[in-house]
Amino acid sequence: SQTIHQWPATLVQPVGSPLSLECTVEGTSNPNLYWYRQAAGRGLQLLFYSVGIGQISSEVPQNLSASRPQDRQFILSSKKLLLSDSGFYLCAWSLPPNWEGYTFGSGTRLTVV
Amino acid sequence: AQSVAQPEDQVNVAEGNPLTVKCTYSVSGNPYLFWYVQYPNRGLQFLLKYITGDNLVKGSYGFEAEFNKSQTSFHLKKPSALVSDSALYFCAVRDRNTGRRALTFGSGTRLQVQP
Repeated sequence: SQTIHQWPATLVQPVGSPLSLECTVEGTSNPNLYWYRQAAGRGLQLLFYSVGIGQISSEVPQNLSASRPQDRQFILSSKKLLLSDSGFYLCAWSLPPNWEGYTFGSGTRLTVV
Repeated sequence: AQSVAQPEDQVNVAEGNPLTVKCTYSVSGNPYLFWYVQYPNRGLQFLLKYITGDNLVKGSYGFEAEFNKSQTSFHLKKPSALVSDSALYFCAVRDRNTGRRALTFGSGTRLQVQP
């Protein structure tokens, strides 16, 4: 069966520090991968999605970046965190052509102090 | 462009009563529609989807939703609410006629079921 792992579960980082959040999927191949951010426990904002290794689409210009070094690995990074980067970060995967919907990871609560 | 509106920030209902969580969408073509539920500090869980076919879709935990093309709506319903249904609910859409590969989510509706 397919599973998605996301870590860490919680993270407290100072302003200006770097960030690396990792997401891995098991039990499937060639998934589409997504990073969403949820602010204040409400709406979901799509940050990045990837349809293959090294293929990243950015939805919102900001100081975050994403990489996909392996088929089932998706990494969200920042060189210097801002206070506004605080939020709940969710990774998700789907199989093309996407009408099966997403499977979400359990999320990372990031607090920038 | 694709978009989703959930007009109610919160819905309150008594246990045992029917519940409705509203969702309207906008796409240029035909939609794929989804409902997800989120419990505190957790990821989203899939409830149900409309792809094609019967307009009434049945999903997990006794939930169902009706696709109404003329009203561009996909309201979530349940005949008898449980306290354990209290959570945050998200509607999502994807336009099947565009190349955009990602779902667009609504802002969420908090469902509170009182005992």
